[in-house]
Amino acid sequence: GESVGLHLPTLSVQEGDNSIINCAYSNSASDYFIWYKQESGKGPQFIIDIRSNMDKRQGQRVTVLLNKTVKHLSLQIAATQPGDSAVYFCAENPGFQKLVFGTGTRLLVSP
Amino acid sequence: ETGVTQTPRHLVMGMTNKKSLKCEQHLGHNAMYWYKQSAKKPLELMFVYNFKEQTENNSVPSRFSPECPNSSHLFLHLHTLQPEDSALYLCASSQGAGGAYGYTFGSGTRLTVV
Repeated sequence: GESVGLHLPTLSVQEGDNSIINCAYSNSASDYFIWYKQESGKGPQFIIDIRSNMDKRQGQRVTVLLNKTVKHLSLQIAATQPGDSAVYFCAENPGFQKLVFGTGTRLLVSP
Repeated sequence: ETGVTQTPRHLVMGMTNKKSLKCEQHLGHNAMYWYKQSAKKPLELMFVYNFKEQTENNSVPSRFSPECPNSSHLFLHLHTLQPEDSALYLCASSQGAGGAYGYTFGSGTRLTVV
């Protein structure tokens, strides 16, 4: 069935380090992927997306990598800041259907 | 603000009360969604509306009653809830009914049932 899973429920890093959050997806038909950030008391906010015809996309301090061979998605955050502390969700679109969300990874950034 | 506004932000209600959650989107989207988010659980889809017509009810108990009068407004009417219904209720909208363009979420309503 469709599933999106995260390898690590909590990731702790030091301020200034680079963070990598991983996500495995199971549906090879998925053609669109999104990373969301959810801060405490707020709804999920869009960070970056990538379509299946790409393997890398960069934003401001964030990069998403897509490896379709092993059905793996990652979010890289450069020079992590305390304000990056949040729960990060990946989501996949298995082809003209509703988004499927992962369970989320909590990122904790220590000063 | 993301363009999706939810009210109230916090709600405490007794099990015999009737209350409603409201969601409004200013993005011109056609589809709207209700999600439930509990501690340590993934987002649980409850209802989907496309052009104000309900297209999905994800086996939600009848004590939750959605209403979508137009493409910009979505309500969730609550009655005789249980303590386990305490959660963050999120509204989202999208350009189309599928996930091809992603969803925009509101800030949610934190519901506590006592």
